[in-house]
Amino acid sequence: DGGITQSPKYLFRKEGQNVTLSCEQNLNHDAMYWYRQDPGQGLRLIYYSQIVNDFQKGDIAEGYSVSREKKESFPLTVTSAQKNPTAFYLCASASRRYQETQYFGPGTRLLVL
Amino acid sequence: GQQLNQSPQSMFIQEGEDVSMNCTSSSIFNTWLWYKQDPGEGPVLLIALYKAGELTSNGRLTAQFGITRKDSFLNISASIPSDVGIYFCAGQLGQGGKLIFGQGTELSVKP
Repeated sequence: DGGITQSPKYLFRKEGQNVTLSCEQNLNHDAMYWYRQDPGQGLRLIYYSQIVNDFQKGDIAEGYSVSREKKESFPLTVTSAQKNPTAFYLCASASRRYQETQYFGPGTRLLVL
Repeated sequence: GQQLNQSPQSMFIQEGEDVSMNCTSSSIFNTWLWYKQDPGEGPVLLIALYKAGELTSNGRLTAQFGITRKDSFLNISASIPSDVGIYFCAGQLGQGGKLIFGQGTELSVKP
């Protein structure tokens, strides 16, 4: 089945620790995105990548980093510089031709201990 | 930054009733999308709209791209319990532009 997978479903982070969230897609999509969702709010864009080995900051990139070494993978690292990391993180992908039509993974909930 | 105003924030309805929600903006959008999100899951694309005035249906769901390109609405007819969830609108400002999301409408359906 084609789709987007995110792992883990739940992730716990200690203060001062970096953690990496995984996002993989087998849809052959060129564009991939990371969003953050807080309770009662819409999605906010963290980083996006329109092609391998290239990525751009979104609206709330501070405290996060990404890489795009493979077309199917776009991992997000939440660094210790992110002071309020507790949130639901969503990965999405889209084809080059229809980049506005984004498809989402199931999400990772990050909790700080 | 750019904003989408989505209303209502929440709705409590009886099974079988029709539902309407909308999104408005001061900006002109090229594309409007409607998503549904179940608790703890990622949003699922319901309907995509690409042209001003476009009216598109997906089963009991109907969405329209406003003529001014600054708004969109989503209607759900004859609601059922599985319609429960949060509905998000999203708009794209330009070609290849980022999506801007509304704050969501939380729908509750009483059997």
